[in-house]
Amino acid sequence: NAGVTQTPKFQVLKTGQSMTLQCAQDMNHNSMYWYRQDPGMGLRLIYYSASEGTTDKGEVPNGYNVSRLNKREFSLRLESAAPSQTSVYFCASSVGDFSYEQYFGPGTRLTVT
Amino acid sequence: GEDVEQSLFLSVREGDSSVINCTYTDSSSTYLYWYKQEPGAGLQLLTYIFSNMDMKQDQRLTVLLNKKDKHLSLRIADTQTGDSAIYFCAEGTGGYNKLIFGAGTRLAVHP
Repeated sequence: NAGVTQTPKFQVLKTGQSMTLQCAQDMNHNSMYWYRQDPGMGLRLIYYSASEGTTDKGEVPNGYNVSRLNKREFSLRLESAAPSQTSVYFCASSVGDFSYEQYFGPGTRLTVT
Repeated sequence: GEDVEQSLFLSVREGDSSVINCTYTDSSSTYLYWYKQEPGAGLQLLTYIFSNMDMKQDQRLTVLLNKKDKHLSLRIADTQTGDSAIYFCAEGTGGYNKLIFGAGTRLAVHP
């Protein structure tokens, strides 16, 4: 099992460009999450998907959209990137809700200039 | 509002015990977690404790919870260089109430 995979690992964007971060899990988990990690701060939840076909906003959803493409895949889209979105993005998955162990991907380091 | 606070840095000698502390504000927290992040990697769950417990031991790890003071600690016995990482405390109330993470404590283990 690969666990949770994310692509790309690194990305540099110019302000105003768009891109999609991809995430996939092969553990048959129901729930998936997108977080961002900024220096000196804990992880902050951007969006989550409790189950296939549902998505909900987290703490910092502005400037992002998500798609739960199927049970395996959960993508995060930046429509018009801003320097404030420079961060490390982590995808995670769990069997069920937040009270279950979350398994994290290796992260995508995004820089917006 | 909800908040989780941790000291940002801890340095210990190899073989000593490490104690990482965390305070949280949400008295309704049901679950409290410790995650470990190694360089360049995602977070990995180390251990968790339910709010109705005072202590949990798992090999070299001991978690202590003082619910009255909203204080959580993680003790690592016989700390090794492989324990060098960032340790995150997180609280949650269960279900689809999101986890709140602290900023992380960077543990440095030196010979």
